[in-house]
Amino acid sequence: DAKTTQPPSMDCAEGRAANLPCNHSTISGNEYVYWYRQIHSQGPQYIIHGLKNNETNEMASLIITEDRKSSTLILPHATLRDTAVYYCIVRGGSQGNLIFGKGTKLSVKP
Amino acid sequence: DAGVIQSPRHEVTEMGQEVTLRCKPISGHNSLFWYRQTMMRGLELLIYFNNNVPIDDSGMPEDRFSAKMPNASFSTLKIQPSEPRDSAVYFCASSLPIGQADTQYFGPGTRLTVL
Repeated sequence: DAKTTQPPSMDCAEGRAANLPCNHSTISGNEYVYWYRQIHSQGPQYIIHGLKNNETNEMASLIITEDRKSSTLILPHATLRDTAVYYCIVRGGSQGNLIFGKGTKLSVKP
Repeated sequence: DAGVIQSPRHEVTEMGQEVTLRCKPISGHNSLFWYRQTMMRGLELLIYFNNNVPIDDSGMPEDRFSAKMPNASFSTLKIQPSEPRDSAVYFCASSLPIGQADTQYFGPGTRLTVL
């Protein structure tokens, strides 16, 4: 079973920041938080991952709380092409596979 | 890089027929994963290989499913005989050595319909 809890859906206005929350209260010390997204009919796409510190790349920022029990993925300027299902995944180093939950369906509206 | 390549992209077959799905991982990646996605069960792992050796096949539904990785650049997932409940999208993914921060890159998937 997935170790994360995400809202089933969210809306965001185009050009605004999209903040997607994720709860992972049972996360272990050596487990990373990964974010993937899946645009309709495509394969999942890696976005970002982190352990303790906040992370930023060209796609998004990841904010992890100090107790590591929750995190937020931030898309700073959402576009219509960011409409997708976003998956938050907790995974340890010895675990090969990704366990996908139901994710959050983000709809970016004009 | 071309990314993970899967073929065919679409497959329609009749119940009882053999189906073979193919995957070419990203060059240099030595871990390969097969996932299946359905509306009912979402995305689930079927099997994964590390250095061409199957590591975890606990997700393979039953003996009708088999997967091979004869070399670092090719893998197959075979269903024999196929059944309507096997209809799904099958994704292949590859990554660098399994570890703390490896990233999996997914292919475009094969949409399988078994009539």
